[in-house]
Formats: sequence, C-alpha cells, structure tokens
Amino acid sequence: SQTIHQWPATLVQPVGSPLSLECTVEGTSNPNLYWYRQAAGRGLQLLFYSVGIGQISSEVPQNLSASRPQDRQFILSSKKLLLSDSGFYLCASFSRTDTQYFGPGTRLTVL
Amino acid sequence: RKEVEQDPGPFNVPEGATVAFNCTYSNSASQSFFWYRQDCRKEPKLLMSVYSSGNEDGRFTAQLNRASQYISLLIRDSKLSDSATYLCVVNGGGSYIPTFGRGTSLIVHP
Repeated sequence: SQTIHQWPATLVQPVGSPLSLECTVEGTSNPNLYWYRQAAGRGLQLLFYSVGIGQISSEVPQNLSASRPQDRQFILSSKKLLLSDSGFYLCASFSRTDTQYFGPGTRLTVL
Repeated sequence: RKEVEQDPGPFNVPEGATVAFNCTYSNSASQSFFWYRQDCRKEPKLLMSVYSSGNEDGRFTAQLNRASQYISLLIRDSKLSDSATYLCVVNGGGSYIPTFGRGTSLIVHP
C-alpha cells in the first residue's frame, strides 16, 4: 500500500517569507500527485496536480507554485506568503485502484 | 450547481442511533465513488468504496443510485468514535481530478 510523507507537520511563518513544503510517496510508481488546501471549517480546495515529472497543472491562480522534480516527490512553494495562505495543506496520491491517499498534512499559520 | 453536494449538518445523534447521509453528483459519466472520513485537524482517510451493487463493512453500508445520481452512507449503532466529517468523493468522467463534497459533520453524543 502507499505511504505519503509530508513535512513539517506544523509551520508558523511571517507574512512575506518564503515557503517550501515537501511531499514524498512510497509504495507506488508514476502516481498522480495533488496539493490541496483546507481552510478552517471548510472543504478541500485543489491547488495543483501532476501526472508526471515536470508536469504541473494549476487549478487556482495564486502566489503559490508547485514542482515535481522526481517521480515520487512533489513540492509546494511560495516566494512571499500572504495571510490568506494560512491553512491545512494536504498532499495526495491517486492509486491504481482509483483511490486517493492523503499525507498527514502541514498546518501553516501565516502571521 | 456544485458537482458534488452534501448536507453539511451537523447531524447530532445519540449513541446507538442509525444515521444516513446522502451525496448527489452532477456528472453522469462518473465511474467510481468513495466515502472518506476526516477527524478534526487530521487528513481524510478512506472509509469505503461504493460499488454499484452496494457494499457493507460492519456497521457501515454504502449504496449507489446511478439513475438518480446519488450515493449514500448508512451507519448503524453509532459510536462516540464515529464523530467526524464524512466526505463524498466522485471520480472519473474523463478527469484526473477527484471531486470532493464539502463534507457532512456527524456528532454522536452519549
């Protein structure tokens, strides 16, 4: 079965600082990978997805970017964080059985 | 119209009660369906897949109605530990992107 690793678990950053969140996947190859954000008490918002190395699709225009330098690595970045970037960031992988698995998430607070 | 709709609740039920949630979807080409459970401040976790013939896992039963484009989740003999948000997920129809409902909140009280 798949395992998704995300770090850090919790992050507090000042407005205007950069961001880098990393996600790695074990137990599968060539997965579709996804970044979601969940604001407090809200549903999941898809930010980016990737069907392969170097292939990134953006769902929501914003100051975030994503990269996929390796098959099982997905990175979410920002050059300058905004207050509105606060939230729970989840990395997910789409398995061969058509099921999504989620990492444990990173809780980001921008102050 | 939203692609996947759920009643946000909360559904407030006593222990031992039976509770049912519905989820409607708009894309008739959707091919696979799931229920996820999300505990407070945690990631969503797969609860069960939903098959055309329906499926049961202990106290949980999931049903699919393609004609009316909805799926349901029935929880029997509710436990305090069932308190969570239940997310409906719909895949397929030519997209790589699963569509999530906003979730239904369940609170089971003593």
